Amino acid sequence: GENVEQHPSTLSVQEGDSAVIKCTYSDSASNYFPWYKQELGKRPQLIIDIRSNVGEKKDQRIAVTLNKTAKHFSLHITETQPEDSAVYFCAASGGNTGKLIFGQGTTLQVKP
Amino acid sequence: DTAVSQTPKYLVTQMGNDKSIKCEQNLGHDTMYWYKQDSKKFLKIMFSYNNKELIINETVPNRFSPKSPDKAHLNLHINSLELGDSAVYFCASSLGQGEGYTFGSGTRLTVV
Repeated sequence: GENVEQHPSTLSVQEGDSAVIKCTYSDSASNYFPWYKQELGKRPQLIIDIRSNVGEKKDQRIAVTLNKTAKHFSLHITETQPEDSAVYFCAASGGNTGKLIFGQGTTLQVKP
Repeated sequence: DTAVSQTPKYLVTQMGNDKSIKCEQNLGHDTMYWYKQDSKKFLKIMFSYNNKELIINETVPNRFSPKSPDKAHLNLHINSLELGDSAVYFCASSLGQGEGYTFGSGTRLTVV
């Protein structure tokens, strides 16, 4: 069935360093790949997304890359700041229902 | 002006009770969802409605019954609550396939 694997489950970096989170999806029909940030006690919020016709997308300090052949996509955060500390979820969507299958989440801690 | 609003925010109830969670969106989206987030933060889809029509019904116990009176509202009724139902339930909406979700603020359900 549909599955999204996300790694690592926890990530600790020093302020100013880069952070990379990786996801793998199983459904080759998936064509939309959003990333969500969830702060403690808050709702998940969309931070960036990429569609299958694009290999890379960047928005200020965050970027996402997609390798359709390998069914991998990754989130890159540069110059990390303490306020980047949160749980990050990748997701994949395909078919005509709009259903998002989420990865297991990565808890990112940025140490000042 | 909240885009996706859920009520109540917290719900503490005894085993065996019946409870409802309400969700409303003012974004004009056609599709609405219920997701369950367990204690390990995993987000799992339960139901989805498109324009009042049920389009996704994952393997959820029959005790859970969604209702969509119109495309701006999606409610969740739970019968005979069990300890394992304790979780955060998120409502979300989107324009449809290949579009990101806007999540509600979540309802933390605790069954004692």
